[in-house]
Formats: sequence, structure tokens, C-alpha cells
Amino acid sequence: EIVMTQSPATLSVSPGERATLSCRASQSVSSNFAWYQQKPGQAPRLLIYGAAIRATGIPARFSGSESGTEFTLTISSLQSEDFALYYCQQYKNWPYTFGQGTKVEIK
Amino acid sequence: EVQLVQSGAEVKKPGESLKVSCKGSGYSFTSYWIGWVRQMPGKGLEWMGIIYPGDSDTRYSPSFQGQVTISADKYISTAYLQWSSLKASDTAMYYCVRPLSGIEVDYWGQGTLVTVSS
Repeated sequence: EIVMTQSPATLSVSPGERATLSCRASQSVSSNFAWYQQKPGQAPRLLIYGAAIRATGIPARFSGSESGTEFTLTISSLQSEDFALYYCQQYKNWPYTFGQGTKVEIK
Repeated sequence: EVQLVQSGAEVKKPGESLKVSCKGSGYSFTSYWIGWVRQMPGKGLEWMGIIYPGDSDTRYSPSFQGQVTISADKYISTAYLQWSSLKASDTAMYYCVRPLSGIEVDYWGQGTLVTVSS
């Protein structure tokens, strides 16, 4: 099973600042990698798939990148609606696996 | 438009059985994997298993093998998640998901809250 490790667990950021979230895979997942945002009481929302492709309707301030088994989600200028939980997921091998999540909170 | 519509919330007692459903529409149900993701209260997301309705090929995550049964009825485009004997630890939100595949995005149902309490 591929283990996905997210860091940090909590990220405190001021509105308007940049946020950088990381996720490391225990082995290669190629570009079979996604980022999700989840708010309380809601289903997860796909932000990025294919490691760097923004899903439909996702603002350009969200971007994804990869370097080997390290993946990064950057939110260029945090808006109030971006404070939420973020999960990464690999879908290269079954079982697909999620990271444990990063909470982005208001500083 | 692809839609996954799940059955409603359930409240059950330990030891009872349960089958929740997920009806797909807007796409060829037999041509895509469909599966279930668990989210326990205040916790993260976990894949439980997936099924390919076209031939009923089913795969389980090791943590859920033997604990639940996933099935599908391709004639009514519906996937199921079933327990034979619920435990309090099965209390969670369960999402039906058509997973990401290549460059195709995923789709999520609205979630089914299962509460198991004596």
C-alpha cells in the first residue's frame, strides 16, 4: 500500500498570504495524484488532478506541482473561503490512499 | 450530467445488518469503477473498496476486506455497501465515489451518515 504523508498538519496563514502544502508518496505514483478541499459538513471537492491540472471551476490561485514523489499545492493569495481541510490522494495503485490532511487556519 | 445519489441516513443498533445504495446517472454505469470512501467523525478519508459493474470485479482495501460487502446491480445502475453485523465503530459518513481515472475527474455522492448506537 502506498502511504501518503502530508505536512504540516496545521498551517496558520493570514488572508492574502501564500500557503504551501506538501504531500509525499512512499513510492512513485507518477502523475496519478490529486488534491481535495473539504469544508465542514461537505463532501470533498476536487481541486487538482494529474498532479497539476486544475479541475473545472477552480480558481487560478490554486496550483499543483510535483518533483519525484513530492507534491505541492500552492494557494497564491488566501481568500476567506480557502480556510479548510486539504487532502492529497494517489490513484496509481489500488488501494487508492489519502494523506491524513492539512488544516489551513486563519492566523 | 454525472450524478451519484445515495440513500438516506441510517440509525442502527450493534449487530444489525445494513445495505446502503448509490444510484449513478448521466454516464455508462458499466464502464467505470465505482467505490466507497469512509470518513469517521473528525477523521480523514479512507477508501474501502471499488467495483467494476461491467463484470463485477471487486477490490477491497486490506483494512475493510471481510468487514463489508460491495456489490452492484448494473441493470438499475446502483452500487451497494453492505454490513452483516454493525459495530459502534462503523459510525461514519460514507461517500459513493466514481474515482479519478487518467484524465477523467471523479464524482462524489452526497454521503450517507450511518450511526450505530445501542
